[in-house]
Amino acid sequence: SQTIHQWPATLVQPVGSPLSLECTVEGTSNPNLYWYRQAAGRGLQLLFYSVGIGQISSEVPQNLSASRPQDRQFILSSKKLLLSDSGFYLCAWTEMGPEQFFGPGTRLTVL
Amino acid sequence: AQSVTQLGSHVSVSEGALVLLRCNYSSSVPPYLFWYVQYPNQGLQLLLKYTSAATLVKGINGFEAEFKKSETSFHLTKPSAHMSDAAEYFCAVSLYNFNKFYFGSGTKLNVKP
Repeated sequence: SQTIHQWPATLVQPVGSPLSLECTVEGTSNPNLYWYRQAAGRGLQLLFYSVGIGQISSEVPQNLSASRPQDRQFILSSKKLLLSDSGFYLCAWTEMGPEQFFGPGTRLTVL
Repeated sequence: AQSVTQLGSHVSVSEGALVLLRCNYSSSVPPYLFWYVQYPNQGLQLLLKYTSAATLVKGINGFEAEFKKSETSFHLTKPSAHMSDAAEYFCAVSLYNFNKFYFGSGTKLNVKP
């Protein structure tokens, strides 16, 4: 069966520090991968999606970037965090079907 | 352009009462439609999906939703609320290329004893 992992589960970082969040999927191959952010009291904002290794589409201009170095690995990064980057970050995947499956999320607090 | 509107950011029902969470969508082509549930500090869990088969879709935990093309709606219902149903619910739409989902802003369901 398929499993999606995200780490770390929680993170507290100072403004201006770098960021790296990792997402890996097991039990599938060539999935579409997605990064979403939930800010407090708001819905889900799609940040990036990837249909294959090295292929990244960005949905909104921002302080973040994404990379897909391996088929089942998706990384969200920032060189310098802003206060507005705080939120709950969710990774998701799809394979053959239309539905997306979500990871457990990473709670990021920027101070 | 595709969009999803969830009427009511907060809904409160008594335990045992009917749950009705509203979702309307706009899409230029027939969409796929989904309901997800999110418990605090967790990821989203798929409740049910509509993929152009039966218009009444049954999901997990006793939830169901009906696709009404004429009303562009996909409302979520449950005949009898349980305390464990308290969570946030998201409606989403995707198109056939599967690359993007469009989520509603979410509805927080509170269940009163």
